[in-house]
Amino acid sequence: QVQLVQSGTEVKKPGSSVKVSCKASGGTFSSEAFTWVRQAPGQGLEYLGGLIPILGTPSYAQRFQARVTITADTSTRTVYMNLDSLRSEDTAIYYCAIYCSSGSCHLGALDIWGQGTLVAVSS
Amino acid sequence: QSALAQPASVSGSPGQSVTISCTGSSSDVGSYDLVSWYQQHPGRGPKVIIYEVSKRPSGVSHRFSASKSGDTASLTISGLRAEDESDYYCCSYAGNTTLVFGGGTKLTVL
Repeated sequence: QVQLVQSGTEVKKPGSSVKVSCKASGGTFSSEAFTWVRQAPGQGLEYLGGLIPILGTPSYAQRFQARVTITADTSTRTVYMNLDSLRSEDTAIYYCAIYCSSGSCHLGALDIWGQGTLVAVSS
Repeated sequence: QSALAQPASVSGSPGQSVTISCTGSSSDVGSYDLVSWYQQHPGRGPKVIIYEVSKRPSGVSHRFSASKSGDTASLTISGLRAEDESDYYCCSYAGNTTLVFGGGTKLTVL
């Protein structure tokens, strides 16, 4: 069973960038559909984008297309989410999760979640 | 990619049933049988309770059921219990390897 461990809390200034990591243990890594979701305080879940490392090409939600970059390092089994031009509205918990697109998992669901990383943006 | 529409809140008494709707479009809910539902208690991460529109993972109570008709998916919780009080989110595949979430529904057990 895959487990996801994310990096710790980040405090950033407006206009800066943040890079959150998500390290996977177990599973195949390269064929997993890693997905990033965020949740602002008191708000709902919001899809940012995703990546299957073996395919290489990430996909992004339209509203984040210009600011988010998702990458993977197969040597360390780590996926990264970089968000640029931070503003106060980006303050949120950022989750890494695995989307089940095939195999013996819950098809079409975000099956496994990391613990979340708080990113706080404040001047 | 607009968010799926969910009611902000629903409520019910213990033992009753409640239904939470999730309305999308022909670009997401209407086109794919890849709707999932998540339960999130305060301060916790989301937990999948429904996948592929109506399937329950092992360990999820049979009191949770779900369906889809056209562009609208629905989650029904029967025999309400106090521990069902939580936030519920729907999510759909939206094509081009993207997903879209609903805005979330707060369930209050009266």
